[in-house]
Amino acid sequence: QKEVEQDPGPLSVPEGAIVSLNCTYSNSAFQYFMWYRQYSRKGPELLMYTYSSGNKEDGRFTAQVDKSSKYISLFIRDSQPSDSATYLCALSNSGNTPLVFGKGTRLSVIA
Amino acid sequence: KAGVTQTPRYLIKTRGQQVTLSCSPISGHRSVSWYQQTPGQGLQFLFEYFSETQRNKGNFPGRFSGRQFSNSRSEMNVSTLELGDSALYLCASSLEGKLHEQFFGPGTRLTVL
Repeated sequence: QKEVEQDPGPLSVPEGAIVSLNCTYSNSAFQYFMWYRQYSRKGPELLMYTYSSGNKEDGRFTAQVDKSSKYISLFIRDSQPSDSATYLCALSNSGNTPLVFGKGTRLSVIA
Repeated sequence: KAGVTQTPRYLIKTRGQQVTLSCSPISGHRSVSWYQQTPGQGLQFLFEYFSETQRNKGNFPGRFSGRQFSNSRSEMNVSTLELGDSALYLCASSLEGKLHEQFFGPGTRLTVL
């Protein structure tokens, strides 16, 4: 079983839709849960991170962590064509341990 | 504040050659990590340097090596290149103890022929 599983998509939604992106993981030691956005031919850009469980909101983006189910989600409200990118989840045990990435979900928001 | 810079952006090499990639972190960031990104395997951690010392290492063969200089700039080297080494090599920097807040450079696209 891979440490982090992420559906590669592609996921295509109309502009204005609510998007749900998810990852599952197997290592219960993970404490930090990150979401990165990567545009074509660019490096990943950190959107937000959550420590331990719970929700975190930043503008149109909401991250959720359910440690009991080993399941994390990123919700994008009022999606825009500029949100079209690959979204990567990343997890780590601590601030000093390397990140383990999901393979990314490719999202297309159609105007 | 300038972001993470990587040079060169594109590189074409042939099998058996070696290559050196360079990374300049964000000013004040002393931790530098390297990743390999391929369509099949995704983003995989290579190694992390902090204060010129390798602190974490991923599961890659010894052909992959790196170093960090006193100004926090880092280089990675791949010797005896194989076709499978073709990938986007990404560098990321962060403050100490903040690997969960890494900032990535644009990457170096390496093609091995």
